[in-house]
Amino acid sequence: KAGVTQTPRYLIKTRGQQVTLSCSPISGHRSVSWYQQTPGQGLQFLFEYFSETQRNKGNFPGRFSGRQFSNSRSEMNVSTLELGDSALYLCASSLGESGNTIYFGEGSWLTVV
Amino acid sequence: QKEVEQDPGPLSVPEGAIVSLNCTYSNSAFQYFMWYRQYSRKGPELLMYTYSSGNKEDGRFTAQVDKSSKYISLFIRDSQPSDSATYLCAMSANTGGFKTIFGAGTRLFVKA
Repeated sequence: KAGVTQTPRYLIKTRGQQVTLSCSPISGHRSVSWYQQTPGQGLQFLFEYFSETQRNKGNFPGRFSGRQFSNSRSEMNVSTLELGDSALYLCASSLGESGNTIYFGEGSWLTVV
Repeated sequence: QKEVEQDPGPLSVPEGAIVSLNCTYSNSAFQYFMWYRQYSRKGPELLMYTYSSGNKEDGRFTAQVDKSSKYISLFIRDSQPSDSATYLCAMSANTGGFKTIFGAGTRLFVKA
């Protein structure tokens, strides 16, 4: 069974640009969550989608957005990139019910210069 | 105050030692408790999953949950250099939406 797949794995962007990251969840999983991980802040919850609807949102500015497609694949977008957006962005999938464990992808490393 | 507190370390131990990793939390609604292991430049991988209070053992790993003290632990017996990684505790509740909260992670080094 394939795991959570994230693309691209590494990317470098310039301040002010925008970026789109993609996530394919484990087959059968309907929930996709996104996290930002930095050395100083640890794992910070961005948002969670279930059946194409955003069900939960963390405390991030509106520049961070996401969506989920009917096949459960998800994308997240960051507009007007800032240097502080440099981080590892992790996608996690689960069946979507309370208590279900979440499984992570390898992440997308974003560097903003 | 953060919902989940975890000492970031680093924690350095000799090979073969028993390692104790801990987290405290403030939200009494948390019922599901997990430990993840993360190697450098990799995504976190699930190690242990516990529902409510009690102990759970899997090979060299034992997870303990004490809901009365709002305290969870992960013990690693006979630690190996390959256990060197960052260990993240995580927890979620049955209410307030589906959201998993993570600790900051403890960096562990096991010296050969």
